[in-house]
Order: sequence, then structure tokens, then C-alpha cells
Amino acid sequence: TQLLEQSPQFLSIQEGENLTVYCNSSSVFSSLQWYRQEPGEGPVLLVTVVTGGEVKKLKRLTFQFGDARKDSSLHITAAQPGDTGLYLCAGVNYGGSQGNLIFGKGTKLSVKP
Amino acid sequence: NAGVTQTPKFRVLKTGQSMTLLCAQDMNHEYMYWYRQDPGMGLRLIHYSVGEGTTAKGEVPDGYNVSRLKKQNFLLGLESAAPSQTSVYFCASRPRGAGYGYTFGSGTRLTVV
Repeated sequence: TQLLEQSPQFLSIQEGENLTVYCNSSSVFSSLQWYRQEPGEGPVLLVTVVTGGEVKKLKRLTFQFGDARKDSSLHITAAQPGDTGLYLCAGVNYGGSQGNLIFGKGTKLSVKP
Repeated sequence: NAGVTQTPKFRVLKTGQSMTLLCAQDMNHEYMYWYRQDPGMGLRLIHYSVGEGTTAKGEVPDGYNVSRLKKQNFLLGLESAAPSQTSVYFCASRPRGAGYGYTFGSGTRLTVV
């Protein structure tokens, strides 16, 4: 069974601070996705990374896929209260299934003004 | 664009009652999914469908049934609700092919008393 471990589970920071969230597995994934979920809503896709070592930027968010495609990180620069939410990583291995995503349990981020 | 619409948004059931959760998508997506989200457990796949008329079991299928009679609709049924089925249920869809992210609905909060 493929598992994705996210850390930290909870993170509370002040506006303007930087932070990094990690997503790790012992398994190789074909691609990995990051989602953000706000209270009372469903997850919303932020980015998909496919190539080992790939780095993608979305404004103040930087996503990296590990060289071996077993791990990923999300770095937020100068966090703002609007970044508050649950961040989920999700991996897929097209060789082993119908392409169903496997989700980590999430990192709950709170950014205080 | 409506995207993925789930009905109802909230429901309270008594143990042993039955109900059907409806998911409708207007994006012509082939794949559809039902997840449940519980504190500390993350998103767990209940059932999924890779096309009209086809369904398959996910990680936690017991106590649930599904049907995909029309491409745009995916129904989740609880025949005899149990308190352990108290959860937030999310429907998601995606196009056929590799690398696509999921589009989620806003969820149904179900309480079984």
C-alpha cells in the first residue's frame, strides 16, 4: 500500500513568515499534486508536478518534486492570512491503478495577522 | 461554470435509515469519485467510476453502494446508516488521461444519530 506522510500536521505562524510543508513516501509516484482546502469547501488543485527535480512557482508558493519522485515540498514566502487552510498532497502511480490519487492527511496552516 | 455540485449539503439520519447523495458534474469528465473525510484520517476513497455504467470499489466501500447511469451523475447510497458513517462526503471528477487534477464538490456533511 502506498502511503504519503505529511509534516507538520499543524502549523501556526505570523503574517510575513516563511514556511515549508513536506510530503514523503517510500514509494515512487508518476506525479504528485497539491491541493488547498478551506473550511466548508472541497479541495482545490494548486499544482501538478511530474518530473523528478521539477520546481513550479505559483506567486508566493514554490512546489518541488524530489529527484526520485518519492517526496515533495511546498514553500510559502511571506505568508498571508489568506493562505490559511488545509494543504493536501496527493500522488498517483499510473502503473498500479486506474490513476486514483492517494492523499496525505494534510497540513493545517493558520496564518495570524 | 457549476463544476461539481453535491446535494444535499447537510443531512441528519437516524441509525438504520437510508439515503442517497447526488453528485452532478457539467465538465463532461469520464472519471468520478466518492471520498469521505474524517478528522485524522484524511480523504479515503469509497467508490469510483471510470465511465458511464461502470463502478469499482475503493479503500472503504463497505456499507455504501453507487451507480453511474448517466455520465454526468454519480450517486452514493447508504442502505442502512450507521453512526460510523458520520462524516463529510466529497465527490470529485476528472477527465480521462494522465496528469489531470480532480475537481471537487463542496461536500455533504452527514450525521448519523
